[in-house]
Amino acid sequence: GEDVEQSLFLSVREGDSSVINCTYTDSSSTYLYWYKQEPGAGLQLLTYIFSNMDMKQDQRLTVLLNKKDKHLSLRIADTQTGDSAIYFCAESHNNNDMRFGAGTRLTVKP
Amino acid sequence: GAVVSQHPSWVICKSGTSVKIECRSLDFQATTMFWYRQFPKQSLMLMATSNEGSKATYEQGVEKDKFLINHASLTLSTLTVTSAHPEDSSFYICSAKPSGRWGSNEQFFGPGTRLTVL
Repeated sequence: GEDVEQSLFLSVREGDSSVINCTYTDSSSTYLYWYKQEPGAGLQLLTYIFSNMDMKQDQRLTVLLNKKDKHLSLRIADTQTGDSAIYFCAESHNNNDMRFGAGTRLTVKP
Repeated sequence: GAVVSQHPSWVICKSGTSVKIECRSLDFQATTMFWYRQFPKQSLMLMATSNEGSKATYEQGVEKDKFLINHASLTLSTLTVTSAHPEDSSFYICSAKPSGRWGSNEQFFGPGTRLTVL
């Protein structure tokens, strides 16, 4: 089946930028998402991008999409300790059936 | 904001028993809800799409007789794991897509239910 892959761990220092990477295989993906999951809580949608876009910026978050390489990244500027969480990349071609990566656990050290 | 709750948050049961997990949309109606399963350090896998008033649509490889889904109202979907076995131990997560006047393309996720079968 189609896969979404992301590295499992990322550790950064407070104030630095974090970049979480994701690759996917489904060339018909239309929607690409980034979710954040804090302990004991549900997945929270951070941002999403349509496949016809290259970049989307929302405050400290920047999403870059390389459709040719099927590579998606999430950059968090000025990372704070409150950003520590698991970040999931997901894709969908119809905004219903979503395929998720395994999640990247971001640890922010003071 | 849109909130989805799950009950229970964790459950331990004996092998062979059945367990029911509830997913509720608290402040919106949802014609469509989704059930996912997550193994440790693995991605969420979509199990089934639950449609209010009709039969659920199961993903390939998911046994519909084992994982019974009932979406009897616009705010509640239930997943019953029948005759649970240790290999069914997992983290089950639901999501709901607002419909009607709450209509949205976004899925809102519940906090998950951890099932442990002894």
